[in-house]
Amino acid sequence: DAGVIQSPRHEVTEMGQEVTLRCKPISGHNSLFWYRQTMMRGLELLIYFNNNVPIDDSGMPEDRFSAKMPNASFSTLKIQPSEPRDSAVYFCASRGQGAGNTIYFGEGSWLTVV
Amino acid sequence: KNEVEQSPQNLTAQEGEFITINCSYSVGISALHWLQQHPGGGIVSLFMLSSGKKKHGRLIATINIQEKHSSLHITASHPRDSAVYICAAAKTSYDKVIFGPGTSLSVIP
Repeated sequence: DAGVIQSPRHEVTEMGQEVTLRCKPISGHNSLFWYRQTMMRGLELLIYFNNNVPIDDSGMPEDRFSAKMPNASFSTLKIQPSEPRDSAVYFCASRGQGAGNTIYFGEGSWLTVV
Repeated sequence: KNEVEQSPQNLTAQEGEFITINCSYSVGISALHWLQQHPGGGIVSLFMLSSGKKKHGRLIATINIQEKHSSLHITASHPRDSAVYICAAAKTSYDKVIFGPGTSLSVIP
């Protein structure tokens, strides 16, 4: 299996632009997580989906952030409009059914908003 | 007080030393994860524990559910073990995974 695939790996964008991050989970996994990592706050869970349904989005910082999972093999995290404080590494991860399974992380999307 | 805490925050060891990283949590969990993040940024899951002990190569992870404590041990440490080690607690199948602040390990030749 190719693992969790994220794109883009790196993005530099201007403040105010829309940013879309993409994730393809491991086939057969039914839980998908979006995380953000910064130096100041470490790893934070933004939102997670179970069977394509958002279960908890309380980690989403504000209305500028939105996430979708239209099917079991694809998810997006969108920031509109982007701000410099959104600069971070965004990780997507997936897991098989149940908390007793290993979480597999993508390689991350490194976002810089200038 | 954070729900998941780790100690030490930073650790420097000589190659070959036995290393222990501790994790304590204040929430009820169904699983605890140990993750490794290398300087390049990639995150790898090392262990998932719900009880007892697991071993993989030179790495050993233990958990004491009653004491709400887990440890990650590295035997015969090597410079390639240098990374940030993160403990993460999962409450239920559908609940948040709560991360510890991480332990930055540097193993010197």
